[in-house]
Amino acid sequence: AQRVTQPEKLLSVFKGAPVELKCNYSYSGSPELFWYVQYSRQRLQLLLRHISRESIKGFTADLNKGETSFHLKKPFAQEEDSAMYYCALRPGAQKLVFGQGTRLTINP
Amino acid sequence: GAGVSQTPSNKVTEKGKYVELRCDPISGHTALYWYRQSLGQGPEFLIYFQGTGAADDSGLPNDRFFAVRPEGSVSTLKIQRTERGDSAVYLCASSSEGGRTEAFFGQGTRLTVV
Repeated sequence: AQRVTQPEKLLSVFKGAPVELKCNYSYSGSPELFWYVQYSRQRLQLLLRHISRESIKGFTADLNKGETSFHLKKPFAQEEDSAMYYCALRPGAQKLVFGQGTRLTINP
Repeated sequence: GAGVSQTPSNKVTEKGKYVELRCDPISGHTALYWYRQSLGQGPEFLIYFQGTGAADDSGLPNDRFFAVRPEGSVSTLKIQRTERGDSAVYLCASSSEGGRTEAFFGQGTRLTVV
């Protein structure tokens, strides 16, 4: 079965502190993993994908096949990072399988 | 150009009624997806179109749900005999080729069945 688990529904950190949003997946093949973000009153948008190996808005995520994880990290949180974050798996070439999301709140 | 557009943004309907939700993808995008997002959950796949045909409809929950894309552009999600459990945000996304290209999401239609 294909499944994405985000164990934290809510995460609150102070501005300037490090952030880590956890994501674990279940998939027997070679996965393609993504992080999507939804800011308040905005549409869902792609933040980053594992194949790009890039840093977007200071966020990075490393695919760990041994631990089947794709955690999202940022060394110094900013208030504008407050949003809903979804980890997603694309098992084939088409649909996305999403986790239930983590609401990140950055406190001033 | 404009992004993915969904209409209406909000729809309230009575249990048992029929509803249609519309999605206008980004111009030129051949792949179109419908997802459903229930409260407190992530989006859940419903159906995927490549051009005019439904390439994967495995996510449609039952035969009350149907979607069309007759000219390979605009798509309509149709729900018959609505139930209170159908209340959710329905999201549409499109991508230039499907496959490994980025999917762009619309703002969603919030459906409330009373």
